[in-house]
Amino acid sequence: QSVLTQPPSVSAAPGQKVTISCSGSNSNIGNKYVSWYQQLPGTAPKLLISKDDERASGIPDRFSGSKSGTSATLGITGLQTGDEADYYCGTWDSSLDVWVFGGGTKLTVL
Amino acid sequence: EVRLVESGGGLVKPGGSLRLSCVGSGFTFSSYTITWVRQAPGKGLEYVSSISRSSSLKYYADSGKGRFAISRDNADNSAYLQMNSLRAEDTAVYYCVKGDQRDYWGQGTPVTVSS
Repeated sequence: QSVLTQPPSVSAAPGQKVTISCSGSNSNIGNKYVSWYQQLPGTAPKLLISKDDERASGIPDRFSGSKSGTSATLGITGLQTGDEADYYCGTWDSSLDVWVFGGGTKLTVL
Repeated sequence: EVRLVESGGGLVKPGGSLRLSCVGSGFTFSSYTITWVRQAPGKGLEYVSSISRSSSLKYYADSGKGRFAISRDNADNSAYLQMNSLRAEDTAVYYCVKGDQRDYWGQGTPVTVSS
């Protein structure tokens, strides 16, 4: 059971938009920056978004991050087949004194 | 170019030990927290341990407390994860990750604990 809650899967058609939610608590998302990672099949995770809404270097503006209270959201517009991957949110938890991840969301571009 | 290269993984019997290494390049290694994250086969990401820039602060997930020890040598741009009393559930790919934002990840080193 992950500290942060993500939907197991989402899907949408090419060109469409999708959002992935990440729900936590005041000890993590509510008071700490959220990061988002993309993991393509067979590869290491790659940072997409840091500090809630800052795109990492080289990440297209089709990817966006936002946060409200104890929840964060990753948005992807103009979906491409190459976006099919697992997406993880992560942040520091000040009660546990560990970095916590969501369970991951598998994106399928139909 | 920022690079993190892990090594030291392999097959070990339950109860055995391994020492993972991570060498960083392309950035000022001593200026960044280093974190180890693992991923069991077919599973999600799991935090293992972090060490601060000067080694003054070390954090561990409950799963590794008392068995794992993190360290670093800034002169060699290296970080280490000593893993003792290994269990089957420690089987995973272990990633070395740079910084408080966990912005760069190595390619990972696989650890298999099996008799």
